Amino acid sequence: AQTVTQSQPEMSVQEAETVTLSCTYDTSESNYYLFWYKQPPSRQMILVIRQEAYKQQNATENRFSVNFQKAAKSFSLKISDSQLGDTAMYFCAFMKRAGSNYQLIWGAGTKLIIKP
Amino acid sequence: NAGVTQTPKFRILKIGQSMTLQCTQDMNHNYMYWYRQDPGMGLKLIYYSVGAGITDKGEVPNGYNVSRSTTEDFPLRLELAAPSQTSVYFCASTRSGRDNEQFFGPGTRLTVL
Repeated sequence: AQTVTQSQPEMSVQEAETVTLSCTYDTSESNYYLFWYKQPPSRQMILVIRQEAYKQQNATENRFSVNFQKAAKSFSLKISDSQLGDTAMYFCAFMKRAGSNYQLIWGAGTKLIIKP
Repeated sequence: NAGVTQTPKFRILKIGQSMTLQCTQDMNHNYMYWYRQDPGMGLKLIYYSVGAGITDKGEVPNGYNVSRSTTEDFPLRLELAAPSQTSVYFCASTRSGRDNEQFFGPGTRLTVL
């Protein structure tokens, strides 16, 4: 079975610090997509960043970047210069093929608190 | 563009009651999804649809039904509500299934007492 594991239930850092959230996954597929989603207190689910497995270059989106280690099946999210607005639940998700469709398998999430 | 809208935002049901959660998207997306999010957990897929008239079960379909008569609408029906269905329900849509971002609605918080 394909699974996604986020080993840090909660993290907190001071504003402007850098923080890394961990994610590991298990799959036998060779090409797939990985995502990080953010869920602030408003509950709205927002895409942060995505990575295609066959691309060796790590994805970046402004202050957000990933460290994708395909052999280790690891997909961590780094947030640089953290801001109060980064406080949220962060979910790692793996896109798996299911017949004619693709489905997201989600981790349990990491609660990130940015302290002023 | 309103994106993905869901109604209602909150609902309390008694055991055995039924209700329909509404979901509408105005992005002309073919793929639509229903998820549930239990406290401290990630999302679990209930049902999905790859186009009007086509639906299929996800990971946790028991106790739910869906229909997709139009591209825009994808309602989720709860029959005979049970306390185990207390959760937050999210509807999402995407243009195609593979690498595209899934756009989410704001969620419906459902409590079954």
